[in-house]
Amino acid sequence: DIQMTQSPSSLPASVGDRVTITCRASQGVANYLAWFQQKPGKAPQSLISAASKLQSGVPSRFSGSGSGTDFTLTITSLQPEDFATYYCQQYYSYPLTFGQGTKLETK
Amino acid sequence: QVQLQESGPGLVKPSQTLSLTCSASGGSTLSGGHYWSWIRQHPVKGLEWIGHIYYSGTTDYNPSLKSRVTISEDASGRQFSLKLTSVTAADTAVYYCARDGGEIWGRGTMVTVSS
Repeated sequence: DIQMTQSPSSLPASVGDRVTITCRASQGVANYLAWFQQKPGKAPQSLISAASKLQSGVPSRFSGSGSGTDFTLTITSLQPEDFATYYCQQYYSYPLTFGQGTKLETK
Repeated sequence: QVQLQESGPGLVKPSQTLSLTCSASGGSTLSGGHYWSWIRQHPVKGLEWIGHIYYSGTTDYNPSLKSRVTISEDASGRQFSLKLTSVTAADTAVYYCARDGGEIWGRGTMVTVSS
């Protein structure tokens, strides 16, 4: 299985901040990498696919980059509704695997 | 836009079979070349992909669960199902159905394995 490791696990931040979350794959996954946002008690929501393709309706302050083993999710000008947990997922090979999550918290 | 909704028992006894159904509204599981997935979320272990069924009927499963899992779809194209046999407390989780790897998710249903 491909292991996905996110850092940090927890990220204190303030409204207006620019934040970056990192995801590292234990082997190359090309650009078969997705990012999800999950709020408490809700299902995850897709933000980004193919490492950098924003899903329809996702604000442009979200962006993704990377290829191979190292990926980043960046949120510019953090908004109150962005405080949530973020997960990466590789879909390069079976089984699909997720990172352990990064919780974006109010500083 | 397709919407997904999980249904099934919230409590299953150890050693029994967990059975869940995902209903798709606004679209069909038989068209469009999509994968129809089950994903679960443990309180501590995080998100785990269980497996999926392709619109053609082909399935892929997580090797860690493969001996116990069956994913199937019905002929109407409106539902697909998950069966997980010989459950233990370790199978207690929120179960989600999803399209592809998570492009669209259901709301999730909590399943507790307990006697």
